[in-house]
Parts: sequence; structure tokens; C-alpha cells
Amino acid sequence: QEKVQQSPESLIVPEGAMSSLNCTFSNSASQSIWWYQQHPGKGPEALISIFSNGNKKEGRLTVYLNRASLHVSLHIRDSQPSDSAVYLCAVSMSNYNVLYFGSGTKLTVEP
Amino acid sequence: AQTIHQWPVAEIKAVGSPLSLGCTIKGKSSPNLYWYWQATGGTLQQLFYSITVGQVESVVQLNLSASRPKDDQFILSTEKLLLSHSGFYLCAWSQGQGVTEVFFGKGTRLTVV
Repeated sequence: QEKVQQSPESLIVPEGAMSSLNCTFSNSASQSIWWYQQHPGKGPEALISIFSNGNKKEGRLTVYLNRASLHVSLHIRDSQPSDSAVYLCAVSMSNYNVLYFGSGTKLTVEP
Repeated sequence: AQTIHQWPVAEIKAVGSPLSLGCTIKGKSSPNLYWYWQATGGTLQQLFYSITVGQVESVVQLNLSASRPKDDQFILSTEKLLLSHSGFYLCAWSQGQGVTEVFFGKGTRLTVV
């Protein structure tokens, strides 16, 4: 069983600011880490994933993974009101068919 | 293009009544299929997964069962609903082994009264 914890629970930023979200997991054998975006009443949609230590950049998104500290972070540059949603961190184990989710960070970007 | 269809969109059911939720994936051959559940305000939890027709593995025990009668169909059911079964049920799919993206349906909102 993998434990995934996210912080903060809620984040409010002004439009144009950087949004920084954190996630810790319990097992260093975790295979890959995914970030999903979920709007109210909808299914999650994958944003970005990372497997190796270090960072990965896609558009306005950058994710950092540190396996030694069991920590991954997501940074959204130039945050927009349309980015307002719940962001979920998900971790897969050696059994790739199971994803463990954190409880999410609710991001609100104010115009 | 791949599409995932869940039915029904929403249900209100009585405690002790049976339940059947369905999911169909079109445009993909032999997908991996998943059922997830999210209590209101709660964490998304994986319930089941299936790699092939007729084979379903349980991840979390919630007095629910799942079946995969066809390559593109996944069914979630129980004979007796509990109040604790209320929540948002999501069907999802992925392709292949290893680090692959999971695609979610639009979900079914279940209220048990």
C-alpha cells in the first residue's frame, strides 16, 4: 500500500503568479508519479508525469522529483483563472495496474 | 479516437437495493480497465482492474464486485447497497504495460438513501 500526501490542501494565487504544489509518497520503489487535474463533477485528466530523478518541463508546467526525500512538486508558471481546479498527485508501484492518489490541492487563481 | 462511456450518469438508490454501473470503451483494442471511487470530499481510490476479458483483480474491498464480460465493457455491481457506497464512480482505461497514462470517464454520481 502506497501513502500519498499532498500539500497545501488549498492554494489561492493571483493571475500571472507561480503556483507550487507538493506531494510526498511513502515508498522509494514507486515507479512513476503523475499529476492530474480534476474539475468539479468531472473525471481527472493527466497533465504530466515523471519517472526519473530531476525535473521535467512541459509548457507552463514543471515537475521536480527527488526520490531520496520521496518528494515531488508541480509548478505552474503564469497561472490563469482557467487553471483553477483540484490537482491530484498519483503514484504507481511495481504493479503498474494500481495508481494511488493523494487527497488533492484545490487551486484557485484570482483574476 | 477513443471514447469512454459510463452509465448511468447519476443514480439515487435505497439501502439494501442492488446496483449495476457500466462502462464501454470504443476505439481501443484490449485496453486495461479500471474502476475508481471517490467519496464526497474524499480521496480517489482504485477498486478494481482488469487486463483481459474475464479476469478482474480487486484492489480495495468495499463489498462491490466487478466483471469484464467483453473486451470493451466493464461492470461494477453489488447485491446490497450500503450508505457508505455513496460517491462518485469513475471508469478508466489505459493501454499496454509500464508507465502509461490513465484516461477517465465522466463518472457516475451515486447517492444511497
